[in-house]
Amino acid sequence: GAVVSQHPSRVICKSGTSVKIECRSLDFQATTMFWYRQFPKKSLMLMATSNEGSKATYEQGVEKDKFLINHASLTLSTLTVTSAHPEDSSFYICSPTGGQGEVQGYTFGSGTRLTVV
Amino acid sequence: DQQVKQNSPSLSVQEGRISILNCDYTNSMFDYFLWYKKYPAEGPTFLISISSIKDKNEDGRFTVFLNKSAKHLSLHIVPSQPGDSAVYFCAAKLSGNTPLVFGKGTRLSVIA
Repeated sequence: GAVVSQHPSRVICKSGTSVKIECRSLDFQATTMFWYRQFPKKSLMLMATSNEGSKATYEQGVEKDKFLINHASLTLSTLTVTSAHPEDSSFYICSPTGGQGEVQGYTFGSGTRLTVV
Repeated sequence: DQQVKQNSPSLSVQEGRISILNCDYTNSMFDYFLWYKKYPAEGPTFLISISSIKDKNEDGRFTVFLNKSAKHLSLHIVPSQPGDSAVYFCAAKLSGNTPLVFGKGTRLSVIA
């Protein structure tokens, strides 16, 4: 099955600093990357969609200047939380897809727990 | 406006019995439905899916039923095992390379 690596698994940062989260598809080419976040006891909410080599499309209410997404290659995408604030504390999860089919299900990274203090 | 709803936040079942997790949706354009299992601080793990043109899909202990007219699907786990204890998310998607829309999840506890 599809193997996805997401790093770091958890990070604590100070308010105002930036944090970069990496997501790698290890055994397939991810033409599309979905980034989700999950607040405590809430559902996973789509933040943005990026296609390799193109600008990301952000969901309503997600600031594109705060959450910078880079999808420069078919195996790596990054999400950078800029000037982080405590309200950005959340669980961030990536889901790369290469069109491998709904039957197999989309694969997700292991997630990144971000705590901004 | 939630397009995918899981109205039961929690469910408790005895080991060996059947677990039934329910999910409702509002968008009739959804093409595929998926169930994921999730532990805290981990990404979701795919369990089983069903196409909108089918009404049942089975994989081992897991069976998903789809009732399109009622816009309802359910996941049956039988027999339930303590290792099944986790949060289960129902998800739906449109056709093509589109993102998943998740429900809020149901926490399943299987008691030995």
